[in-house]
Amino acid sequence: TQLLEQSPQFLSIQEGENLTVYCNSSSVFSSLQWYRQEPGEGPVLLVTVVTGGEVKKLKRLTFQFGDARKDSSLHITAAQPGDTGLYLCAGARMDSSYKLIFGSGTRLLVRP
Amino acid sequence: ETGVTQTPRHLVMGMTNKKSLKCEQHLGHNAMYWYKQSAKKPLELMFVYSLEERVENNSVPSRFSPECPNSSHLFLHLHTLQPEDSALYLCASSQDSGTGPYEQYFGPGTRLTVT
Repeated sequence: TQLLEQSPQFLSIQEGENLTVYCNSSSVFSSLQWYRQEPGEGPVLLVTVVTGGEVKKLKRLTFQFGDARKDSSLHITAAQPGDTGLYLCAGARMDSSYKLIFGSGTRLLVRP
Repeated sequence: ETGVTQTPRHLVMGMTNKKSLKCEQHLGHNAMYWYKQSAKKPLELMFVYSLEERVENNSVPSRFSPECPNSSHLFLHLHTLQPEDSALYLCASSQDSGTGPYEQYFGPGTRLTVT
């Protein structure tokens, strides 16, 4: 069974602080996606990383795919209250890229 | 906004009721998905349709019955549900081109409560 473990599960920080969320697996993925979900809504796709070692930036968010394509991280610089939400990573299986394996999520609260 | 709509947004039903959830995607995608999201559990894939054919059925109880009449519409028919089926049901779509990555776009979900 492929599992994606996210850490931490919960994070409460002050506005302006930096944070990193981790997504780890023992399995190799063909690609990995990060989503943000707000209460009462569906997940919204933030980024897809495909190449081992790839780094993508989205404003204050930096996403990295591990060299071996087994892990990923999301770093947020100078967090804002608008960053509050549930962050989900999802890996695409090597044998079936339409099937995503989701992590259990990191719930982030950014206090003003 | 995301191009995937779901109705209803909230549903309360008794265990003997029959209801249906509807999903519509306006993105021109050819694959659609049903997921279940329960508290403190990762998203669970229930069904996948690609080119209107069911390609994945993850040991979902028969009280859940999917239907995909065309590539833009997906239904989830519900009957004789149990209280543990209460959850957020999410629909998603993607473009299956034969090569990855298949980025999935989600609807807002239907919050289902079974009483």
